[in-house]
Amino acid sequence: NAGVMQNPRHLVRRRGQEARLRCSPMKGHSHVYWYRQLPEEGLKFMVYLQKENIIDESGMPKERFSAEFPKEGPSILRIQQVVRGDSAAYFCASSPQRTGVADTQYFGPGTRLTVL
Amino acid sequence: KQEVTQIPAALSVPEGENLVLNCSFTDSAIYNLQWFRQDPGKGLTSLLLIQSSQREQTSGRLNASLDKSSGRSTLYIAASQPGDSATYLCAVMGSGGSNYKLTFGKGTLLTVNP
Repeated sequence: NAGVMQNPRHLVRRRGQEARLRCSPMKGHSHVYWYRQLPEEGLKFMVYLQKENIIDESGMPKERFSAEFPKEGPSILRIQQVVRGDSAAYFCASSPQRTGVADTQYFGPGTRLTVL
Repeated sequence: KQEVTQIPAALSVPEGENLVLNCSFTDSAIYNLQWFRQDPGKGLTSLLLIQSSQREQTSGRLNASLDKSSGRSTLYIAASQPGDSATYLCAVMGSGGSNYKLTFGKGTLLTVNP
């Protein structure tokens, strides 16, 4: 059973371009979470999605950022008109159901975004 | 708002030493607490998960304790090895309607010297 997959692993964008980060959850997992790790900071929750639904996007900046998890295909985190402050590691995690009880979230290797 | 603090920020020890990493959190209304390991350029690996009703969990050379009322957890690593070198992250999961949201500390960077 392959783990959570993220691509690309490294992404370089110039200011003003768009960044698209992809996350394929573990097989059988229908819940996806995105976290951002800024330099010298801890991981911070951004958004929680189920298939075709955004459950909680309270941690996601209201402008330029959007996320989706379509019925088919990976979850996408999209950042429009990137700025230098968006440079960070973006981690995706998945779980088979809403995390709770003994469940944990399984993390991918992350996408490291560098904005020039 | 939940805040998680980890002390020390970095730790360097000789191989074979026993060591303790500390984690504190401000809101005791948690669902569970987890310790993760993060290797450079890699994702997070869950080491131990402690439910809010539990006091400790053990896995091999690792032991994690939880004192929810005082908002503290410790990760004890016995007989450290160079392969234990990594960043260790503490994360708490909120209770109630947000029992899916992990709040992380900034981590402790551990270096075990041969």
